[in-house]
Amino acid sequence: DAMVIQNPRYQVTQFGKPVTLSCSQTLNHNVMYWYQQKSSQAPKLLFHYYDKDFNNEADTPDNFQSRRPNTSFCFLDIRSPGLGDAAMYLCATSRGGQGNHEQYFGPGTRLTVT
Amino acid sequence: EDQVTQSPEALRLQEGESSSLNCSYTVSGLRGLFWYRQDPGKGPEFLFTLYSAGEEKEKERLKATLTKKESFLHITAPKPEDSATYLCAVDGNKLVFGAGTILRVKS
Repeated sequence: DAMVIQNPRYQVTQFGKPVTLSCSQTLNHNVMYWYQQKSSQAPKLLFHYYDKDFNNEADTPDNFQSRRPNTSFCFLDIRSPGLGDAAMYLCATSRGGQGNHEQYFGPGTRLTVT
Repeated sequence: EDQVTQSPEALRLQEGESSSLNCSYTVSGLRGLFWYRQDPGKGPEFLFTLYSAGEEKEKERLKATLTKKESFLHITAPKPEDSATYLCAVDGNKLVFGAGTILRVKS
């Protein structure tokens, strides 16, 4: 089945220790997104890639970076995690192009910062 | 700024007790409204897309409707397995999510 895969599902890191979360997709979608979701809150868009074009949200902290080495993979790097960065991180994909396309989400990575 | 407000925040229903969830929105140029279901500890699962006022979509016990200011997700004769958080999102310049409605259906 075509899908969005996130690894790891659970990640524990120490305060200030860099961490990388990964996302892969078999849908061959043009657009990949990273969201942060804290408990009982709406998902918050951090940034997205349309093919190789990177689009950063204005309020995304510089501490968050992303890489998309190819169509299938996208990475979220948190350079110096703080306690406030503990959250669920969701990767999503959509077809892109003309029209309005639904986004398909992965299962998420739960990040804990100690 | 695009905004999405969902109500109620939480809803408890008895099995078989039909109800509706509300999604009110303000957006400059609606390109689409999406409903998602999210189970605890999982990513949102796509349910419906609505594009224009008057449009309706159905899937099993769920029916989504759209007006120019709000969308409703009607749940008919719910079962315990319908328990989840239901998220609404509007696509203006980007996808903006509401905080969701937590639905609990008791048998």
